[in-house]
Amino acid sequence: DADVTQTPRNRITKTGKRIMLECSQTKGHDRMYWYRQDPGLGLRLIYYSFDVKDINKGEISDGYSVSRQAQAKFSLSLESAIPNQTALYFCATSVRASGRAGELFFGEGSRLTVL
Amino acid sequence: GESVGLHLPTLSVQEGDNSIINCAYSNSASDYFIWYKQESGKGPQFIIDIRSNMDKRQGQRVTVLLNKTVKHLSLQIAATQPGDSAVYFCAENFASNTGKLIFGQGTTLQVKP
Repeated sequence: DADVTQTPRNRITKTGKRIMLECSQTKGHDRMYWYRQDPGLGLRLIYYSFDVKDINKGEISDGYSVSRQAQAKFSLSLESAIPNQTALYFCATSVRASGRAGELFFGEGSRLTVL
Repeated sequence: GESVGLHLPTLSVQEGDNSIINCAYSNSASDYFIWYKQESGKGPQFIIDIRSNMDKRQGQRVTVLLNKTVKHLSLQIAATQPGDSAVYFCAENFASNTGKLIFGQGTTLQVKP
């Protein structure tokens, strides 16, 4: 089984719908992240959480919200989806240890299409 | 704004040859750089990292070079294999010791048999 699991893997929805992408991890890491990947571009950080009570915005948080339900679970919501949120979304985890925090462990991605 | 960019979108090499993937960064204050490999249909996978107090670091078949003078980062893959075919991203840590990374656009490595 994957250490970082994302659901759903693929989703097609319509403009204005509310969508939730879920992420769970069995790595025991404190830190979790949501990144977005667009074709031909790198990944951009949406939100990150260093522990259950610590949630922070990344560089492209507008239109998104998150919830850290437990150490192992971090969900991303689009309250009212729009077509330019069509992208591949990745959840990632990392340890807190100094010197290793940049080593992210990614899930396999959730492909979202907003019509 | 700050950016991390790659010089070439696609690199095609013969199996067995060495590959060099380049990356330019613009934030002189960045102190930590990471290379990731993304295979088709999968999430990125950590390859190797380097801190700004180093200019070279070696792993298994991979070497990362950092030239702070010209803000340049490169990933060298020795004896490239078909399994190395993937998109390679450099990433810059803009907040030390966190996973808050700025990624480059990626270079696709194609390995010809």
